[in-house]
Amino acid sequence: QLQLQQSGPVLVKPSETVSLTCTVSGGPIFTYDYDWGWIRQPPGKGLEWIANIYFNGRPSYNPSLRSRVTISVDTVNNQFSLKLNSVTAADTAVYFCARLKSRDHYFDSWGQGTQVTISS
Amino acid sequence: QSALTQPASVSGSPGQSITISCTGTSSDVGNYNLVSWYQQYPGKAPNLLISEVTKRPSGVSDRFSGSKSGNTASLTISGLQAEDEADYYCCSYAGGSIFYVFGTGTKVIVL
Repeated sequence: QLQLQQSGPVLVKPSETVSLTCTVSGGPIFTYDYDWGWIRQPPGKGLEWIANIYFNGRPSYNPSLRSRVTISVDTVNNQFSLKLNSVTAADTAVYFCARLKSRDHYFDSWGQGTQVTISS
Repeated sequence: QSALTQPASVSGSPGQSITISCTGTSSDVGNYNLVSWYQQYPGKAPNLLISEVTKRPSGVSDRFSGSKSGNTASLTISGLQAEDEADYYCCSYAGGSIFYVFGTGTKVIVL
């Protein structure tokens, strides 16, 4: 059974960079049928799509975050990662990793979420 | 891009049916049959309920159904149960520059 495992809570200072990793188990990240993505949820608010990446490294970014986000994939270790730079308090959120069915465009498996807090 | 519009809350009594709307534009909901719905309990990750407007993954109760008309998609929960009390989000594919837009979210309250 596919599982997406995320690391524990993160505290970062404003203007610094947040780095998150999602480890995939129970299936290969090297697959033609799926992208791998990140979605975030600020406290008490809704979901916001951040970025996706295909196993060949082809990324897709939310235009509103594109200038600050980098997504990458590591097929050797079955992981994918997100870096968000120049963070502010507005980036405080739970960050979820998820698997996206590429052709049909839905997120069918999710990680448990990582609380990211931006504070000095 | 703006989030898709959902009612903040919808309530119903056990056994009743309720419908949650998800209104977008001709660039997202209206242009693609690629709307998905997710159920989220407090402190938990979202869970896929419906894909491609009407398709229900295996393991999801047939009390959940989806539909679409024009720029508005809908999720109907039939035979409402206490366990259905959760937050619900729609999501639409929006094309090659915007990609994915989520709804504002709806809290379902079982009276």
